[in-house]
Formats: sequence, C-alpha cells, structure tokens
Amino acid sequence: DGGITQSPKYLFRKEGQNVTLSCEQNLNHDAMYWYRQDPGQGLRLIYYSQIVNDFQKGDIAEGYSVSREKKESFPLTVTSAQKNPTAFYLCASSFLAYNEQFFGPGTRLTVL
Amino acid sequence: AQSVTQLDSQVPVFEEAPVELRCNYSSSVSVYLFWYVQYPNQGLQLLLKYLSGSTLVKGINGFEAEFNKSQTSFHLRKPSVHISDTAEYFCAVAGANTGNQFYFGTGTSLTVIP
Repeated sequence: DGGITQSPKYLFRKEGQNVTLSCEQNLNHDAMYWYRQDPGQGLRLIYYSQIVNDFQKGDIAEGYSVSREKKESFPLTVTSAQKNPTAFYLCASSFLAYNEQFFGPGTRLTVL
Repeated sequence: AQSVTQLDSQVPVFEEAPVELRCNYSSSVSVYLFWYVQYPNQGLQLLLKYLSGSTLVKGINGFEAEFNKSQTSFHLRKPSVHISDTAEYFCAVAGANTGNQFYFGTGTSLTVIP
C-alpha cells in the first residue's frame, strides 16, 4: 500500500537531547512537509521541501533541522535549542504545490 | 500571510441532526481550499477540496462545502451526522499568495451526542 509512515508513534526524551523523527513516503511525491500540532493551535509549518537537497523554513523553524537526501525521506531533528518540544508532529507530502497534502499518522514527542 | 479562521472551537450536535462548521480566510486572491478530518492520535484525512469550477463541493462521508468568494468563506456541512463523525475538523487554504504553503485553521472539535 502506498502511503506515509512516521516512526516511532510515541517518543520520550530527556531535556537537552536532540531527537530525530522519521518520515518516509512511497507515493512518489515531490514535496514533503513537517508540521507541529499543539492543542488549540492547529497545525504550524516547521519546514518543507519541494525537491531533493532543497528545503525552506516554515513559520516555526527555530530549534529544528531537516535534510532531504532522498525523495522518499524527510527526517526532522528536534534540537536542544527548541524551548518547548513536547508536541504532536505530523509529516505530509504532495505531488505539486497547491494539491492536497497526504498526512502520516504522526509522532507524539514528550520531553521529560 | 494568509490566515484562516474557524469560528467555532467546539460544536456539539445530536445524532442525525444537521451541522455546519464555519471557515473564513483572509484573501480573495486565487485560492485553493480544503477540509481535513482528524481522529484522536491520528494524522489528517482529506474530506474535500475546492480548486476551481463549481462552488459546491462534495466530499467523503456525506460532507459538502460551499465556496463563497464574496464572503471569503468555505463552510462545511452535513445534513445528518453520525456518532462516527465525532472528530477534529481543519480548514486549510493555499494559493498564489501563500508560496507553496498550506495555512490551517485552529480546528473545530465536533462532538456527536447520541
């Protein structure tokens, strides 16, 4: 089945540690996105990438980093510089700009 | 930047009653509009989308939405809700003046009461 996978579903880390969230898609989509979701705030864009080896900052990129070495993979690293990293993280992908985005199941990160 | 307003954060409705979830966006420049549904601890699933053409858009699970350019609105409706419709609903907009970004509203939590 085609789709987007995110792993792990739940992740716990100690404060001050970097952590990398995985996102893989087999839909042959060109664009991939990372969102952060907090209660009552909807989805906020962290980073997006339209082609391999290129990505742009979204509205809340500070404290996060990404890479896009392969078309199907777009990992997100939450660094120790992110002041409040506990949240639900969603990865998405799409064929073209403005087309619908397909979402993964999400990763819930809790920093203790 | 584009903004999306979902006027109701929570909407309780009795089973088999009609429901309308409201969405307004900030610009009338050429836009593309979407409604997504999210069940607890899951990703988002597309309900319907407006790209062009007919202003009445039909989606999955019996939902429909109407694009109103003059009022910059894209309200979601269902004539008769079911318990299984209980979820969070997000309106999103993308378009020529948003770069390649989607902008999401803050969501409406729909609770269907038996």
